[in-house]
Amino acid sequence: NAGVTQTPKFQVLKTGQSMTLQCAQDMNHNSMYWYRQDPGMGLRLIYYSASEGTTDKGEVPNGYNVSRLNKREFSLRLESAAPSQTSVYFCASREGQAGYEKLFFGSGTQLSVL
Amino acid sequence: AQSVTQPDIHITVSEGASLELRCNYSYGATPYLFWYVQSPGQGLQLLLKYFSGDTLVQGIKGFEAEFKRSQSSFNLRKPSVHWSDAAEYFCAVGAGGTSYGKLTFGQGTILTVHP
Repeated sequence: NAGVTQTPKFQVLKTGQSMTLQCAQDMNHNSMYWYRQDPGMGLRLIYYSASEGTTDKGEVPNGYNVSRLNKREFSLRLESAAPSQTSVYFCASREGQAGYEKLFFGSGTQLSVL
Repeated sequence: AQSVTQPDIHITVSEGASLELRCNYSYGATPYLFWYVQSPGQGLQLLLKYFSGDTLVQGIKGFEAEFKRSQSSFNLRKPSVHWSDAAEYFCAVGAGGTSYGKLTFGQGTILTVHP
């Protein structure tokens, strides 16, 4: 019962490099989300996927792309990393019907862009 | 636009003392309100949520929160704090239905517990 699994846990990039953050959930959830966490700013929504085959922008989508590969997997790609993208990234998935929803978070990916 | 303010960046309490963490929100409709806790190096864990009904909500680990519409507040309380409660706490606001999960978080409050 792994829940939401994120890989890698830590990553250091140089400015301009690209990378993909992976997220997979084994709970058969329809909706998945990517957040970034910065000190003093809480979490901010980057992109989300309401269901397999759909993706939408959140509050801070610039510099990122996402792919909902299948129902289980939702990846976040940085095409040309910038120091401003140094952050902790969290993936989440949602279960439940209206009024009974619950978000499950992964343990995060700590990314440093030099 | 929706927003959440947690006025206290850092709170220190003694073990066994009572705790109240403040949260004020701005939202155009009836909000879904949440409190999450994050231990160092971990993801977020839901403590409790409110979306309708009784304005006093009970959560896990002995926490409760009270929704006060007139004050746009959703403060988190615990009668007696344990050392294991030391963590960062986030208040969040959102909507239900298809918008659930698109949350706006506050800046967080770091709780330190002295023995």
